Amino acid sequence: QQPVQSPQAVILREGEDAVINCSSSKALYSVHWYRQKHGEAPVFLMILLKGGEQKGHEKISASFNEKKQQSSLYLTASQLSYSGTYFCGTEINTGNQFYFGTGTSLTVIP
Amino acid sequence: DTAVSQTPKYLVTQMGNDKSIKCEQNLGHDTMYWYKQDSKKFLKIMFSYNNKELIINETVPNRFSPKSPDKAHLNLHINSLELGDSAVYFCASSHPYNEQFFGPGTRLTVL
Repeated sequence: QQPVQSPQAVILREGEDAVINCSSSKALYSVHWYRQKHGEAPVFLMILLKGGEQKGHEKISASFNEKKQQSSLYLTASQLSYSGTYFCGTEINTGNQFYFGTGTSLTVIP
Repeated sequence: DTAVSQTPKYLVTQMGNDKSIKCEQNLGHDTMYWYKQDSKKFLKIMFSYNNKELIINETVPNRFSPKSPDKAHLNLHINSLELGDSAVYFCASSHPYNEQFFGPGTRLTVL
């Protein structure tokens, strides 16, 4: 029931773009995105609810395709501060069941 | 003002001991969670409580038991600690279907 993320790891140069994908085998009510820096707790980025709405947050945006049970996180013009591990989190329609994805390690280098 | 707090931050103990981790939130949230993050960085949900009722109980050993004295607290009790219990444990809280706020984590090391 744990969503699968791809890629597992990515290295970018400052200013480059990246896409992180999250795929679930279950019908989803919502998708969350979090970023965790080394030694710290995960921090919320955004939530997407059933309905396919795309949301944005500074240069980070996300989409949610409920038919395909997939979500993608888009990072544009990456900055050094974007480095960390990104997790999607999914809530399943059948109740308050919440699962984090497998994680994507993102490293931005100068 | 700390939104979600956990104590202790570090916990080092011997196999077979019993220990507790405390969690408190001052956000007025209805739901609280416990997560385990292992060395591979996977975040696994262990429990969640909504208005003092357990609504998720993943396949964790019954050595782990959550205790919620009130809506603002969700403590984690662990009996007969094993080497494999070593991990970082995060507490979190949220309103239903909303963003989760995490505590700073408790790094548990079982020797």
